[in-house]
Amino acid sequence: GNSVTQMEGPVTLSEEAFLTINCTYTATGYPSLFWYVQYPGEGLQLLLKATKADDKGSNKGFEATYRKETTSFHLEKGSVQVSDSAVYFCALIDDGGSGGSNYKLTFGKGTLLTVNP
Amino acid sequence: KAGVTQTPRYLIKTRGQQVTLSCSPISGHRSVSWYQQTPGQGLQFLFEYFSETQRNKGNFPGRFSGRQFSNSRSEMNVSTLELGDSALYLCASSLGDRPNTGELFFGEGSRLTVL
Repeated sequence: GNSVTQMEGPVTLSEEAFLTINCTYTATGYPSLFWYVQYPGEGLQLLLKATKADDKGSNKGFEATYRKETTSFHLEKGSVQVSDSAVYFCALIDDGGSGGSNYKLTFGKGTLLTVNP
Repeated sequence: KAGVTQTPRYLIKTRGQQVTLSCSPISGHRSVSWYQQTPGQGLQFLFEYFSETQRNKGNFPGRFSGRQFSNSRSEMNVSTLELGDSALYLCASSLGDRPNTGELFFGEGSRLTVL
């Protein structure tokens, strides 16, 4: 089946530091990949996505590149801010070889990021 | 436009009771998915409803059930509550077209505590 593995947290950084959160996946088909973010007390919201190999998703200074050869989709940001403190979830969607009848999002366990001023 | 609304936001139940959670999707969205979020297991998919029909199901026992109404609003029910059912239950809506784009819009969740 499908699975997503992301680096264990928590991750604590100082403001303006470089961020990397690693994410690797296992899928039976050709998945689309996502990063979702959950700010304190809120639901998840889509941060960025990539739908095919070598695609780069980007939003709010965050980037992630779909690497099929390494089955990875690492999240990066060059200079984090205090307001980026949140839980970040890597996710994939794939039909699991069902021919389109069994789409569902599979999430990693989340990585808590804390950015200190 | 209004986002996904979940009610109640917080509730406390005792073992053996049942609970019903409600979700109102974004206007025009026909798919509603439910997820259970716990510190140990992360986000786990419960089920998805589209046009009043369950279209997809996760690996949860039959105590967990749901339904969707003609206006796309959805409810989930957990019967015979166990301590391990304590979690944040998240509802997410989407247009529901196939293939699924994976772009879900989440509510803030219903936090259930079972004593």
